[in-house]
Amino acid sequence: RKEVEQDPGPFNVPEGATVAFNCTYSNSASQSFFWYRQDCRKEPKLLMSVYSSGNEDGRFTAQLNRASQYISLLIRDSKLSDSATYLCVVNPANTGFQKLVFGTGTRLLVSP
Amino acid sequence: GAGVSQSPRYKVAKRGQDVALRCDPISGHVSLFWYQQALGQGPEFLTYFQNEAQLDKSGLPSDRFFAERPEGSVSTLKIQRTQQEDSAVYLCASTSSGYQPQHFGDGTRLSIL
Repeated sequence: RKEVEQDPGPFNVPEGATVAFNCTYSNSASQSFFWYRQDCRKEPKLLMSVYSSGNEDGRFTAQLNRASQYISLLIRDSKLSDSATYLCVVNPANTGFQKLVFGTGTRLLVSP
Repeated sequence: GAGVSQSPRYKVAKRGQDVALRCDPISGHVSLFWYQQALGQGPEFLTYFQNEAQLDKSGLPSDRFFAERPEGSVSTLKIQRTQQEDSAVYLCASTSSGYQPQHFGDGTRLSIL
């Protein structure tokens, strides 16, 4: 079983739609959680950190369920520019640094 | 620019050749990471430096892979006797401290023929 698992997609949605991605992680001792965005042939960029209380940044909402070891990302009012791969990322242990473990990514395609 | 810079952007090598990939982190960033991203996969951790000290190299796939950061700034990832399975994008990231968000470079796309 992979340490971080997510549906590779692609998710094809029309502009304006709401779309949700899910991710599960296997290490219950994991310390911190993130969503990164990666455009085709580009570097990953931090989208947002994920906190137990849930957090929102504009059209993006992230949730963490530690009991179920489950992370989600909700995108409201999808834009064409949201088309990208969304990587679920976990820092699995208290190593003294962010030893990030990435999922394979979920590809999102937003169409006009 | 002010971001993480990697060179070369693309590298093609024949199987068995040695390659060296360079990373210039953001100025002043003490932490530096190398990742390997195979096609269709997420990045996988290779190694971590704090200044010139290599504190974790648990992700290096074999002893053909070697990384250094002798003066605590620029880092080089060297792959000896390359194999086809080494074909991937090699990403470098830096951060001001261990737990701050990592800033990634554009990567080096390595193709082994």
